[in-house]
Amino acid sequence: QVQLQESGPGLVKPSQTLSLTCTVSGGSISSGGYYWSWIRQHPGKGLEWIGYIYYSGSTYYNPSLKSRVTISVDTSKNQFSLKLSSVTAADTAVYYCARARAVAKYFQHWGQGTLVTVSS
Amino acid sequence: QSALTQPPSASGSPGQSVTISCTGTSSDVGGYNYVSWYQQHPGKAPKLMIYDVSRRPSGVPDRFSGSKSGNTASLTVSGLQAEDEADYYCSSYAGSNNYVFGTGTKVTVL
Repeated sequence: QVQLQESGPGLVKPSQTLSLTCTVSGGSISSGGYYWSWIRQHPGKGLEWIGYIYYSGSTYYNPSLKSRVTISVDTSKNQFSLKLSSVTAADTAVYYCARARAVAKYFQHWGQGTLVTVSS
Repeated sequence: QSALTQPPSASGSPGQSVTISCTGTSSDVGGYNYVSWYQQHPGKAPKLMIYDVSRRPSGVPDRFSGSKSGNTASLTVSGLQAEDEADYYCSSYAGSNNYVFGTGTKVTVL
């Protein structure tokens, strides 16, 4: 059973870049067949899809965040990462990594999530 | 893109049924049979309950069912149980490798 675990700083200053990593166990990113995703949830609010990456490096982003988002993959470490630049308090959220089958349009496996607060 | 619209809350007594709606547009819910539903308990990650409008992943009780008509999808929980009390979110593929989620519905078991 695949497991995903987010890691990274829990506090980021405004205007800086938020950086998170998702470590995958129980399955290899490089085996293909899946999109590796980032999804966030503002405190007490709904979910927002940020984007995803295929093992080959192909990326797809939410148009509303595209100018500030970079998702990358490190198959040697079985990890993928999120960078969100120029953050503001509005980027304070729980960030989840998740996996979607490449031929499917849903997110079946999720990490436990990590809270990132943007504050000086 | 705008979030899909869900009622903020829904409730029912144990054993009863509750139905949650999820309204989008012809560019998302109405345009694709790719609606999924997620259950989220407090402090936990979302759990996939329904995909492709009405399919259930292995291990999800058949008390959970999904449907769609036009731009509105629905999740029905039959035979409500205490453990069904949670937040529920719908999601839809919106084309061009883009996804939109619903505003969320808090289900209370009375």
